[in-house]
Amino acid sequence: QLVLTQSPSASASLGASVKLTCTLSSGHSSYAIAWHQQQPEKGPRYLMKLNSDGSHSKGDGIPDRFSGSSSGAERYLTISSLQSEDEADYYCQTWDTGIRVFGGGTKLTVL
Amino acid sequence: EVQLVESGGALIQPGGSLRLSCSASGFTVTSSYMNWVRQAPGMGLEWVSVIYSGGSTYYADSVKGRFTISRDTSKNTLYLQMNSLRAEDTAVYYCASELGIGVFHIWGQGTMVTVSS
Repeated sequence: QLVLTQSPSASASLGASVKLTCTLSSGHSSYAIAWHQQQPEKGPRYLMKLNSDGSHSKGDGIPDRFSGSSSGAERYLTISSLQSEDEADYYCQTWDTGIRVFGGGTKLTVL
Repeated sequence: EVQLVESGGALIQPGGSLRLSCSASGFTVTSSYMNWVRQAPGMGLEWVSVIYSGGSTYYADSVKGRFTISRDTSKNTLYLQMNSLRAEDTAVYYCASELGIGVFHIWGQGTMVTVSS
């Protein structure tokens, strides 16, 4: 079964960096994912597609502070030089034939 | 400008029916895989349904047999027909288009559905 696992919460200080993790279920370590950001009271926003080899392509207007990387079944989103507007929920998402899957989301708090 | 705008959300009684619409601009709904995603209050995102550019449709188990996804080429609009609604269907419903296959690229702003007596 295709499942994505995320930690429920993370925190980091203003100006620092944070690395969020999304883990693919067993047998699915080659799958690409997408990262999405949802700021409070807003709809989701596409950040990037992240492949198993770590290559990624970002959405229009996504700052260079956002980057992605991969290791095995783990997919990472790194946000550097944290700003207050980065405080949001972050969701990873993947797909297979006839199904789309979201992780449970990570709530990022900027201290 | 590429944009999706949902409408049709409402307060509806359990067992009732509702049709949501998602109007697309800047691209055609038949050229992309199109999805419905929902978010219950205080919860995460849950995928609901997808319609492929070729017309194949797929559903999450939680809505299979009750919801139907469709599109109207002439109106460039995606629909979600929701029947036999339950309290647990209460959520903000978003439509989203895919970039290529699988990547939710463009999101709408959402429309609220509340199922309650």
